[in-house]
Amino acid sequence: RKEVEQDPGPFNVPEGATVAFNCTYSNSASQSFFWYRQDCRKEPKLLMSVYSSGNEDGRFTAQLNRASQYISLLIRDSKLSDSATYLCVVNRGTGGFKTIFGAGTRLFVKA
Amino acid sequence: EAGVTQSPTHLIKTRGQQATLRCSPISGHTSVYWYQQALGLGLQFLLWYDEGEERNRGNFPPRFSGRQFPNYSSELNVNALELEDSALYLCASSLVGRGGGAKENEQFFGPGTRLTVL
Repeated sequence: RKEVEQDPGPFNVPEGATVAFNCTYSNSASQSFFWYRQDCRKEPKLLMSVYSSGNEDGRFTAQLNRASQYISLLIRDSKLSDSATYLCVVNRGTGGFKTIFGAGTRLFVKA
Repeated sequence: EAGVTQSPTHLIKTRGQQATLRCSPISGHTSVYWYQQALGLGLQFLLWYDEGEERNRGNFPPRFSGRQFPNYSSELNVNALELEDSALYLCASSLVGRGGGAKENEQFFGPGTRLTVL
């Protein structure tokens, strides 16, 4: 079982739709959580950190559920420019501090 | 403010040769991370340097090595190159490598070095 798991998708949605991604992690000692987006053949770019209380940045909302060990990303009013791969990232402190990237969820937003 | 920079952009080598990749972190960042991303695959953690020391490494053979210099820039060396080493090598930096909150651990990536082994 992978330490960080995501639905690979792809998710195909029309412009204006709301789409949600989930990510589960297996190490309960994980400390910090992030969402990145990666465009084809480009470097990942930080979308947002995920805080215990949940946080929102414009059309994007991230939530963390430590009890169930999952994080989520909600994108409202999808734009064509949101088409990308969304990576769930977890930092864990045991067994040596390490950053674990999920394999990513591919999103296609169509006109 | 300048972001993370990497050089070279592209590197072509033959099997058995050695490759050296370079990374300069964002000013003020002390932690540098290296990742490998083979075509169509996810990011695999390679190495983490913090304050000049190697703090952790991923599941890669010893021919992958590196170092961090006093100015926090870093170098990744890959010896005895194999065809499967062909990949995009990404460097990231963060304010701190451990402890702190999420903000201090946010990683910012450079554009990568695309290594091709023939």
